[in-house]
Amino acid sequence: ETGVTQTPRHLVMGMTNKKSLKCEQHLGHNAMYWYKQSAKKPLELMFVYNFKEQTENNSVPSRFSPECPNSSHLFLHLHTLQPEDSALYLCASSPGLTSGMSSYEQYFGPGTRLTVT
Amino acid sequence: RKEVEQDPGPFNVPEGATVAFNCTYSNSASQSFFWYRQDCRKEPKLLMSVYSSGNEDGRFTAQLNRASQYISLLIRDSKLSDSATYLCVGGEAGYALNFGKGTSLLVTP
Repeated sequence: ETGVTQTPRHLVMGMTNKKSLKCEQHLGHNAMYWYKQSAKKPLELMFVYNFKEQTENNSVPSRFSPECPNSSHLFLHLHTLQPEDSALYLCASSPGLTSGMSSYEQYFGPGTRLTVT
Repeated sequence: RKEVEQDPGPFNVPEGATVAFNCTYSNSASQSFFWYRQDCRKEPKLLMSVYSSGNEDGRFTAQLNRASQYISLLIRDSKLSDSATYLCVGGEAGYALNFGKGTSLLVTP
C-alpha cells in the first residue's frame, strides 16, 4: 500500500541534531496529521493541517515544528530533542475537515521510528 | 479533547471463540465512528466504519447505540491473525478523529 508514505522509516539522532521527517500522500486528500506513539502507549495527536492551514496544535513543544507546503506533503522538523521524544511518529491523511459534514476515515503512513540518544 | 473510552484488555480468547469489544464516547456531537486495527509496531489500519443500522463485514459486526453513546465490535470464529489492538474512533464534523486507547486481543491456539 503506497497511499501515504513516510521517510525515513528509522532515524537515530543526537539531542543536538536537526532532522526532518517527511510525509507524502497520494490519495488527493486535503487534511494531514502528525501523531506520536510512544512504546505501548496510545496515539497522541500533535498537529492537524486542513487545506494547508494548521488547525490544531495540541500543546506540542516548540522543538517540533511542522510544515505543510501543499496538501500532499507534510514535514516535521526536529531540533534539540530529548530522549523521551523517542517514539513512532505517524502521519495520516483524510479527504478534509469541513464543518457540517461527517468526518472521514484517516489513512496512516507506516511511520518513522525515532530514537533520540 | 472529548474522550473515547475502551477497556484496554488484554482479552485472551481461544481460536474459534466469539469476542466482543465495547467503547463509549462522551462527545454527543460525534457523527462518524470507526474501528481500526493496529498490529504491534505498525500503523493503525481501518477495519470498518460503524453505521447506525449496524454493519457486518465477514466475521466482524459493528454496532452503534447513539442513545447510550457506545459502539461495539463483535468478532466471530476468532483466528490467530486477529491478534492485535483494536482502536475505537469517533469523529465530529470539522475535527480530527478522536482515537481510543485501544483494546488488546490475543487469540491463542
